[in-house]
Amino acid sequence: KNQVEQSPQSLIILEGKNCTLQCNYTVSPFSNLRWYKQDTGRGPVSLTIMTFSENTKSNGRYTATLDADTKQSSLHITASQLSDSASYICVVDDGTASKLTFGTGTRLQVTL
Amino acid sequence: SAVISQKPSRDICQRGTSLTIQCQVDSQVTMMFWYRQQPGQSLTLIATANQGSEATYESGFVIDKFPISRPNLTFSTLTVSNMSPEDSSIYLCSVGGDSEQYFGPGTRLTVT
Repeated sequence: KNQVEQSPQSLIILEGKNCTLQCNYTVSPFSNLRWYKQDTGRGPVSLTIMTFSENTKSNGRYTATLDADTKQSSLHITASQLSDSASYICVVDDGTASKLTFGTGTRLQVTL
Repeated sequence: SAVISQKPSRDICQRGTSLTIQCQVDSQVTMMFWYRQQPGQSLTLIATANQGSEATYESGFVIDKFPISRPNLTFSTLTVSNMSPEDSSIYLCSVGGDSEQYFGPGTRLTVT
């Protein structure tokens, strides 16, 4: 069964600090891995998409890495801001009719 | 990109009643997806709605409980029928292709 596991479940950090969120997956076949940000009461918004051949991709202060051999990904947030408070969801696409496997997300809270 | 709106944004409904959720996209799309996000859970695909054909339901979801309409390429509705408290969830409309998926803001449903 395809699965995406994320850790930690929740995280509290001080504004300005960095943090790294983890994603492990057992999805086969593999097409791409996506990180989404979901603000409370909103739908998920795409941050990065990585295919098999990409091992790092940045979007502003967000940098995602992918190790397709170990089936692990991380999302690094640099110089966190209060607006980064949200859930971050790791999603793996197996390439079949847009079938996506979602992780349960990491709930990040950035405080003063 | 695609801009998606949903109505209503939230509702509180009584057990046994039905609620129809509307999804409007700002461009024509072939496939529209309906997801459910239960509290603390990942997104789960309910069904895929294609214009001009019946929706395709995922395992565990049936048409009698979640009838879907797709009258044109920019609009779809999802009805949650004969609701019970277990149907309390966020329902999200989504559109996408091979490498990108866009989500609506969601409809937060509470069944009492």
